[in-house]
Amino acid sequence: KAGVTQTPRYLIKTRGQQVTLSCSPISGHRSVSWYQQTPGQGLQFLFEYFSETQRNKGNFPGRFSGRQFSNSRSEMNVSTLELGDSALYLCASSLEAGGRNQPQHFGDGTRLSIL
Amino acid sequence: AQSVAQPEDQVNVAEGNPLTVKCTYSVSGNPYLFWYVQYPNRGLQFLLKYITGDNLVKGSYGFEAEFNKSQTSFHLKKPSALVSDSALYFCAVRDTGRSSASKIIFGSGTRLSIRP
Repeated sequence: KAGVTQTPRYLIKTRGQQVTLSCSPISGHRSVSWYQQTPGQGLQFLFEYFSETQRNKGNFPGRFSGRQFSNSRSEMNVSTLELGDSALYLCASSLEAGGRNQPQHFGDGTRLSIL
Repeated sequence: AQSVAQPEDQVNVAEGNPLTVKCTYSVSGNPYLFWYVQYPNRGLQFLLKYITGDNLVKGSYGFEAEFNKSQTSFHLKKPSALVSDSALYFCAVRDTGRSSASKIIFGSGTRLSIRP
């Protein structure tokens, strides 16, 4: 079974631009979560989607948004990019809503660099 | 509110020696607890979880973790460390309540370094 696929793996943008990251979950998984990982802040939760609905949201500004499609694929969008948005963005999928006692399966991430 | 703490930023162990990576948690109810490992330029990889039952949980690559409710701890252990165990380890917790607001919370990570 294929794992979680994130595209692109690497991305370079400049301040003020916007970016869209894509995540394809494991087949059959309907819950998709996004995380931002930086050396200083560690792993921070962005949002979680289940069946095309946002179930949870972290403490990020409105510039960060996401959506989930009917095939469970998810996209994350960041507008008006800032230098501090440089990070590894990780997507994780799990079987059930919130993945309560199910482990999350992570993709290898998209490394976003802002110049 | 849920929280999880990994008090050590780095743990250094000689190959062949036992290793322990510490994790303590705080939840309002009963916890679901997880350990993940991250290798360079990769995503997190699930190692093991505690849901209920036996306090000693066995996972991948010879790792195990002991759930201690009185000390609210879930330390990761391995009897004999390998150089290939060198990586970043994350502890995570989620409470067992049915609220959709329940999120999984990750610790800050502990870098494990195994010297030959």
